[in-house]
Amino acid sequence: NAGVTQTPKFQVLKTGQSMTLQCAQDMNHNSMYWYRQDPGMGLRLIYYSASEGTTDKGEVPNGYNVSRLNKREFSLRLESAAPSQTSVYFCASSDSQGFGSPDTQYFGPGTRLTVL
Amino acid sequence: DQQVKQNSPSLSVQEGRISILNCDYTNSMFDYFLWYKKYPAEGPTFLISISSIKDKNEDGRFTVFLNKSAKHLSLHIVPSQPGDSAVYFCAATFNDYKLSFGAGTTVTVRA
Repeated sequence: NAGVTQTPKFQVLKTGQSMTLQCAQDMNHNSMYWYRQDPGMGLRLIYYSASEGTTDKGEVPNGYNVSRLNKREFSLRLESAAPSQTSVYFCASSDSQGFGSPDTQYFGPGTRLTVL
Repeated sequence: DQQVKQNSPSLSVQEGRISILNCDYTNSMFDYFLWYKKYPAEGPTFLISISSIKDKNEDGRFTVFLNKSAKHLSLHIVPSQPGDSAVYFCAATFNDYKLSFGAGTTVTVRA
């Protein structure tokens, strides 16, 4: 039982390049999330997926796209990377059943991305 | 504008003593609060939570206190141990999935 896994662990991109961050969970959770963590800012939600086939914007979605490939996998794509996207990216999942169900999210180890 | 604020970026405490971490929030709609702990090069892990209908929740050495009128919560760690050295994030939600996080407090437990 690996929990939430993310690939790659580290990545360096040049401005304008594209890449996809991969995330998978083996806990049969319905909901999955992408966050970015920047110094002094905490974690900010980029996109959220309540279930397979649905996605929703979070606090900072600009410059990103997501795909909920199946129940296990949720990918984050940067189409044209910018230095402002230099950050640590975390994927998380939860068994949230919707309103009224307190949400405990389980996080992956993160991807450290640098955009030059 | 950050709705959850942790105004102390760091805290140093001696082993065996109490660690008190503070968190303030501005959105009165928040009804559920969580603390996450993060070690370097790892993702955050859930530590303890509290619903707005309570004012205290305890789990072993960790206790979270909620003061709704002051929009303030705190995490007490008693006694502090070297393994507690980590970054602690406060988070809040009102719609069950969108967590708003504070900037974190780095705790260092001195031997």
